[in-house]
Amino acid sequence: GENVEQHPSTLSVQEGDSAVIKCTYSDSASNYFPWYKQELGKGPQLIIDIRSNVGEKKDQRIAVTLNKTAKHFSLHITETQPEDSAVYFCAAIRNQGGKLIFGQGTELSVKP
Amino acid sequence: DAMVIQNPRYQVTQFGKPVTLSCSQTLNHNVMYWYQQKSSQAPKLLFHYYDKDFNNEADTPDNFQSRRPNTSFCFLDIRSPGLGDAAMYLCATSRDEGNQPQHFGDGTRLSIL
Repeated sequence: GENVEQHPSTLSVQEGDSAVIKCTYSDSASNYFPWYKQELGKGPQLIIDIRSNVGEKKDQRIAVTLNKTAKHFSLHITETQPEDSAVYFCAAIRNQGGKLIFGQGTELSVKP
Repeated sequence: DAMVIQNPRYQVTQFGKPVTLSCSQTLNHNVMYWYQQKSSQAPKLLFHYYDKDFNNEADTPDNFQSRRPNTSFCFLDIRSPGLGDAAMYLCATSRDEGNQPQHFGDGTRLSIL
């Protein structure tokens, strides 16, 4: 069945460093890849997304890259801040008849 | 301003006592979803509505049901909650099905006594 693998499961960085989270998907028909940030006690918040016709997208300190051939996509956070600490989920979905398939989540900790 | 609103934020019920969770949206989206999220896990889709069309996931227990009386509101009914149903329940919306952004509420944390 459809699957999204996410690594690492935990990531600890110093404030100001970069953080990278990687995901691999199995369904070659997937064409939309959102990233969610979930803080403790809150719902997932959409922070950035990318469609399959684009290789890279950037929004201030956050960027996402997509390699369709390898079925990999990654989240890059630069100049990390303590408020970036949260659980991050990648996800993938196809257009027709699909449901959002989540990765297992990455708990990011940014130390001051 | 919150666009997907879930009430209550915390709900405690007794084993076997029916409970209803509610979700409302101000986005006028066609699709509303209910997810179950247990500790340290990703959200798991229970079912969704496209307008008034109900779509159940194959592995959603019969104990879970849903109602969508209008575009703005959707309810999750748990008929006879068991201890294993303690979780965070998340509501989400999207404009259409498929590859559209889903917007989540902050969830209802359900505890079973």
